[in-house]
Amino acid sequence: EAQVTQNPRYLITVTGKKLTVTCSQNMNHEYMSWYRQDPGLGLRQIYYSMNVEVTDKGDVPEGYKVSRKEKRNFPLILESPSPNQTSLYFCASRSGGAWQETQYFGPGTRLLVL
Amino acid sequence: QQQVKQSPQSLIVQKGGISIINCAYENTAFDYFPWYQQFPGKGPALLIAIRPDVSEKKEGRFTISFNKSAKQFSLHIMDSQPGDSATYFCAASVQGGSEKLVFGKGTKLTVNP
Repeated sequence: EAQVTQNPRYLITVTGKKLTVTCSQNMNHEYMSWYRQDPGLGLRQIYYSMNVEVTDKGDVPEGYKVSRKEKRNFPLILESPSPNQTSLYFCASRSGGAWQETQYFGPGTRLLVL
Repeated sequence: QQQVKQSPQSLIVQKGGISIINCAYENTAFDYFPWYQQFPGKGPALLIAIRPDVSEKKEGRFTISFNKSAKQFSLHIMDSQPGDSATYFCAASVQGGSEKLVFGKGTKLTVNP
């Protein structure tokens, strides 16, 4: 089954404690992205990757890091989480080509930073 | 900053009615306009998308209308059903280069039985 998986699904942490949210896709997609979703603000892109070792900032990259060492994995790293990073996070992937008809989103990771 | 403005924020429709959600954009370089559907507790799912070289695209009960000169596009849901109750997001991007995808803020649709 084609899918994007994220772990953990729920996470409560404290300010300053480094954490990583993993994202993995089994569709051999080139493109992967991270989004955060906040009430009233919709979805905002954090980082994206167009292939292995190729990443770039989205609209809200501050406080986040990513890496793309393997095609299937695209972890999101919060080096020093702060309460304003409390949010619902989604990973997404799509195949190559000009159009995004095949973009898939993961189930989401709900993060609470105390 | 690139923006996509979506309206209304919420919409209540009776079963069998037509739901209409509108979006407007500023960046004339956008050339891909998808709509996503999100149910509570789930990730967004691509519903339908349109390119600017066509004015309308229909898939079942869902239709996108696109007005390039007005920089507007809309989603029409015909014969709305209670199962259509979800949050809908429009989005826009520039293909063939950056992967940046800009989303509207969403419309919560409720279809009453």
